[in-house]
Amino acid sequence: AQSVAQPEDQVNVAEGNPLTVKCTYSVSGNPYLFWYVQYPNRGLQFLLKYITGDNLVKGSYGFEAEFNKSQTSFHLKKPSALVSDSALYFCAVRDMNWIGKSTFGDGTTLTVKP
Amino acid sequence: SQTIHQWPATLVQPVGSPLSLECTVEGTSNPNLYWYRQAAGRGLQLLFYSVGIGQISSEVPQNLSASRPQDRQFILSSKKLLLSDSGFYLCAWSKEGFYEQYFGPGTRLTVT
Repeated sequence: AQSVAQPEDQVNVAEGNPLTVKCTYSVSGNPYLFWYVQYPNRGLQFLLKYITGDNLVKGSYGFEAEFNKSQTSFHLKKPSALVSDSALYFCAVRDMNWIGKSTFGDGTTLTVKP
Repeated sequence: SQTIHQWPATLVQPVGSPLSLECTVEGTSNPNLYWYRQAAGRGLQLLFYSVGIGQISSEVPQNLSASRPQDRQFILSSKKLLLSDSGFYLCAWSKEGFYEQYFGPGTRLTVT
């Protein structure tokens, strides 16, 4: 079985400040981890993924995420938030030993205020 | 480059009417295909996924069905819509091996 949790429904930050959107996961094997962003009334866009290798992965629009195996976390980060980063963010996990679907979190709404 | 199309963009249908939503992918072959429903702008519910023509896995028993008549075409159907079928329907594809998924623009379905 696999699951993912995004403990915060809403994250508010000021423009120019660093942002973190939290994600924790549970899998029986090794995980593949993903972050997606969704703007209103649009489909999801892939931001970044962790498959193997360096624990810090970099993705689109200046976002990065850190894989922490001991804490089973994959938090999304950005050093300096933009108002245009305001959107709904989803974390997803797939067990690499299970040929099947990814499980998505419930999403975190990020609001960046000017 | 790859492109995924969904249509229609919006749809208003009465209860008990049939449904057909179509999704097509361009620029790749033998993709894995997915149908999701998103309610109230929050979490995604996986409805169906397909690893090849005619191969459909259903995740949630309901009055919806899916078909894959061609390699890059995925159709979501219903014979009789329920009010609870309202939502935002998203099609997605991924490369063989189930890595990251690429989503279409979505269809907003309102059942009245």
